[in-house]
Amino acid sequence: KQEVTQIPAALSVPEGENLVLNCSFTDSAIYNLQWFRQDPGKGLTSLLLIQSSQREQTSGRLNASLDKSSGRSTLYIAASQPGDSATYLCAVTRSSNDYKLSFGAGTTVTVRA
Amino acid sequence: KAGVTQTPRYLIKTRGQQVTLSCSPISGHRSVSWYQQTPGQGLQFLFEYFSETQRNKGNFPGRFSGRQFSNSRSEMNVSTLELGDSALYLCASSAEKLGNEQFFGPGTRLTVL
Repeated sequence: KQEVTQIPAALSVPEGENLVLNCSFTDSAIYNLQWFRQDPGKGLTSLLLIQSSQREQTSGRLNASLDKSSGRSTLYIAASQPGDSATYLCAVTRSSNDYKLSFGAGTTVTVRA
Repeated sequence: KAGVTQTPRYLIKTRGQQVTLSCSPISGHRSVSWYQQTPGQGLQFLFEYFSETQRNKGNFPGRFSGRQFSNSRSEMNVSTLELGDSALYLCASSAEKLGNEQFFGPGTRLTVL
């Protein structure tokens, strides 16, 4: 059974600092890994998708890396802003025809102005 | 393109009642998945439908059921509600491309009294 872990559970940084969020998974046989953002009481917003054949993906200030063999992914957010305060979740799928996402518990980020 | 929509956004029910939640996927997406989110258990997979067929099911009791219509809209039903069913119910849709990236709706907040 796939276990996804996100450490730390919470993080507080001053505005402008770079954020580093970690995600690890126990079964390296994944199809893809997706990073999401969730604001309190809201749905999930997809940030980045990394397919298992890729090493990283970038979108604006966000960069996500994937090391499938070691079961790790890292989300970098450059020059953090108060608007980046949210819970960040990573999730993996097992195969191309298996859409079930296995989620970590998330990292709650607070960016202090 | 319109995103995933869910109705209703909020529901209050009493124990023993039943409830039906609705999800309209992004146009052209044939896969719809449902998740339950609670503070204690995090995000847990309920089931996934593709072209009106249930392809995958999580570990939930038979009180939780779903269906998908020919236009890909999906409904989930919970019968004989229990206090523990209080949660945010999220649905996600995906197309069979772009690494199966999944897009979530805003959720339905169900409170069982």
